[in-house]
Amino acid sequence: GQQLNQSPQSMFIQEGEDVSMNCTSSSIFNTWLWYKQEPGEGPVLLIALYKAGELTSNGRLTAQFGITRKDSFLNISASIPSDVGIYFCAGPLNFGNEKLTFGTGTRLTIIP
Amino acid sequence: NAGVMQNPRHLVRRRGQEARLRCSPMKGHSHVYWYRQLPEEGLKFMVYLQKENIIDESGMPKERFSAEFPKEGPSILRIQQVVRGDSAAYFCASSPPPRNTIYFGEGSWLTVV
Repeated sequence: GQQLNQSPQSMFIQEGEDVSMNCTSSSIFNTWLWYKQEPGEGPVLLIALYKAGELTSNGRLTAQFGITRKDSFLNISASIPSDVGIYFCAGPLNFGNEKLTFGTGTRLTIIP
Repeated sequence: NAGVMQNPRHLVRRRGQEARLRCSPMKGHSHVYWYRQLPEEGLKFMVYLQKENIIDESGMPKERFSAEFPKEGPSILRIQQVVRGDSAAYFCASSPPPRNTIYFGEGSWLTVV
């Protein structure tokens, strides 16, 4: 089945640094979604991308939908302690978003 | 502005008992999804329902698991005769028609002892 690979698996950065993570697939996706999950909570949607090449921002977060439609990246600028969590990319297994497949996650830790 | 509501948040069951997890979608949402997350893994799709209909249950284990979304009331994920391997976080999500981006609840953590 379709698989989403995220890298890096984990990141340890200092507060104030920028963060970059990406997500790749062997299959084409028509939608890319980025979620953040904190311990004991459900995933929260950060950014949704619907068109190849699209670049979308949400505050300090910026995500891009790769031209090949097989990848996406998420950047966080000037990280703050509340950015800690696991970031998942996700995409629909079929048209209409009924079934999402999730990436393996990138765990972000902020070093004070 | 209630989001997707799940209960219980935490549930402990002995092996062989039944677990029932409930999900109330966001207001105006008629599509409900259930996902399972094992420790240190991403979420895995289980089932997609609309009111009174199971649309896609391709991610559900063939035995012991069932889901429903009745005309009235919450969606229910039912796990019969639980085993230790069922211990996981179960997330419900909902979306409005037509099938826009889905929003997740806070999850129900099942522990089987």
